[in-house]
Amino acid sequence: NAGVTQTPKFRVLKTGQSMTLLCAQDMNHEYMYWYRQDPGMGLRLIHYSVGEGTTAKGEVPDGYNVSRLKKQNFLLGLESAAPSQTSVYFCASSYGRTSHFGNGTRLTVT
Amino acid sequence: LAKTTQPISMDSYEGQEVNITCSHNNIATNDYITWYQQFPSQGPRFIIQGYKTKVTNEVASLFIPADRKSSTLSLPRVSLSDTAVYYCLVGDVRDDKIIFGKGTRLHILP
Repeated sequence: NAGVTQTPKFRVLKTGQSMTLLCAQDMNHEYMYWYRQDPGMGLRLIHYSVGEGTTAKGEVPDGYNVSRLKKQNFLLGLESAAPSQTSVYFCASSYGRTSHFGNGTRLTVT
Repeated sequence: LAKTTQPISMDSYEGQEVNITCSHNNIATNDYITWYQQFPSQGPRFIIQGYKTKVTNEVASLFIPADRKSSTLSLPRVSLSDTAVYYCLVGDVRDDKIIFGKGTRLHILP
């Protein structure tokens, strides 16, 4: 049972490049979330989804897009990466306010 | 979503009991209290959840007074491996969003 799997684990982008982060969960959870965490800071919610085909904005959605075409997958896209998006990105799925997190994707934008 | 306040950081020694208190004065009737633990370079991990009085599991205890305006996470006989950031979250199980604060950085000393 893998839980929540994030790919890739590391990525370096140049300013202006695009990329997609993939989150996959095998717990049949309806709710999924994308967070970013900057050094010494707590997690900030980027976007979330309450079910297949639905997405909603979190605390810091600007510069990101998401899609939830399948229940088990939640994709986070950066259309034009900026240095301010250098961060660690965590995906989570949840049931009843109990969230399960992936191990993160460390993204550096130069 | 109820606002939470917890200490920014705490130090303790191996073998001690550690208590981390979280204030949530505007907690609503349907809100639950959930604590997460985050080790460096990992995603947060669910520790414990409660509604009132006391909850205990193999990792920690959660004490909630009758007015529910605060809660205390108790870690018995800590070890160096308990050094982590601990987050207190308050919200309804029906809430769409799960918002994290800055957490409490616990440092266990030998």
